[in-house]
Amino acid sequence: GENVEQHPSTLSVQEGDSAVIKCTYSDSASNYFPWYKQELGKRPQLIIDIRSNVGEKKDQRIAVTLNKTAKHFSLHITETQPEDSAVYFCAATPREAGTALIFGKGTTLSVSS
Amino acid sequence: GAVVSQHPSWVICKSGTSVKIECRSLDFQATTMFWYRQFPKQSLMLMATSNEGSKATYEQGVEKDKFLINHASLTLSTLTVTSAHPEDSSFYICSASDSQNAYEQYFGPGTRLTVT
Repeated sequence: GENVEQHPSTLSVQEGDSAVIKCTYSDSASNYFPWYKQELGKRPQLIIDIRSNVGEKKDQRIAVTLNKTAKHFSLHITETQPEDSAVYFCAATPREAGTALIFGKGTTLSVSS
Repeated sequence: GAVVSQHPSWVICKSGTSVKIECRSLDFQATTMFWYRQFPKQSLMLMATSNEGSKATYEQGVEKDKFLINHASLTLSTLTVTSAHPEDSSFYICSASDSQNAYEQYFGPGTRLTVT
């Protein structure tokens, strides 16, 4: 089945710096790659997603890139702010739409002011 | 739109008892719902996929006789933890996909289960 690896597990940056989180997946059939932000005790919140027919997607300070050949995708956060501090999860859908997400292990991002 | 609710938000039960958690899609019909479990400082682990009107599909290592899932309608799925033990204490989160946008999943707020 699908396996999603996520790095790094923790990331500390200064306010205003950029943060990059990387994920790799194993199933070449995977075609949907969302990123979630989760605060302690809360539900995961979708922050950006990308489908396999595009290579990059951007939404203000957040961008995701996808390399299907290498089977990896990355989250880029620019101009980080203290409120960006949270746990970030990548995920992949291994098959057709409506299939369960397989999550990476998460990255704890700390943004210090 | 696309709101998923869960009830209860937290529950404490004694070892050996059963607990039922409800997951509802409030403004859309969810043909498929998913149940995840999340231990402290860990990721979301898929437990089972629930399709309306049919038996749930459990992931490897998840005991189907212990974690009973019922998806009786297009807006409600329930997870019953039977004979709960302290090691079942966890954060249980459901999600649902909308047939209009089947890729995105909408998560419930989660249920914190503590077994004493």
